[in-house]
Amino acid sequence: DAGVIQSPRHEVTEMGQEVTLRCKPISGHNSLFWYRQTMMRGLELLIYFNNNVPIDDSGMPEDRFSAKMPNASFSTLKIQPSEPRDSAVYFCASRDSNQPQHFGDGTRLSIL
Amino acid sequence: GESVGLHLPTLSVQEGDNSIINCAYSNSASDYFIWYKQESGKGPQFIIDIRSNMDKRQGQRVTVLLNKTVKHLSLQIAATQPGDSAVYFCADKNTGFQKLVFGTGTRLLVSP
Repeated sequence: DAGVIQSPRHEVTEMGQEVTLRCKPISGHNSLFWYRQTMMRGLELLIYFNNNVPIDDSGMPEDRFSAKMPNASFSTLKIQPSEPRDSAVYFCASRDSNQPQHFGDGTRLSIL
Repeated sequence: GESVGLHLPTLSVQEGDNSIINCAYSNSASDYFIWYKQESGKGPQFIIDIRSNMDKRQGQRVTVLLNKTVKHLSLQIAATQPGDSAVYFCADKNTGFQKLVFGTGTRLLVSP
């Protein structure tokens, strides 16, 4: 049973570059969540989708961040342009109705 | 200067002891509660959940207790093992909303 799959696992890039993080939710799950985890702020919800539709993006820090879910099996989180303060671990999670969220193992992002 | 991050409370126990990890929540309208375990380099892993119509739920070696009067949640781990060493997060949410609100976490250290 494949869990939530995120890629890449690690990303190191220079500030100003575009960063794209990818997520494949568990098959059959209808909700998808993007989180950011830092030492300073803990685990923060950025955005979530229901049936591929963005429902709440109030956690997205600013316009440099965008997320898409073109189909039920794929989502991206994009940062353009990236800044050093975006360095964090980004998690994707998915769930089926009334079931717990299941998390991927995250993408560790370092912006130099 | 030295960066200031979230202070993670730490619980240190001996292998074989029982562990109790506590969590306070603030939203009196929350009716769903969940515990996650996060090991280093991995995403949060679901342990156990409980709805507000219950005050206790048991799993394998774990028990969650809910006291709605004082808005308190606890996770009990029986016969703690070194593999239980991790950061444990509680989270809560309100029916009708999909957003989980995560606590800051507690680090559990189990020594042999």
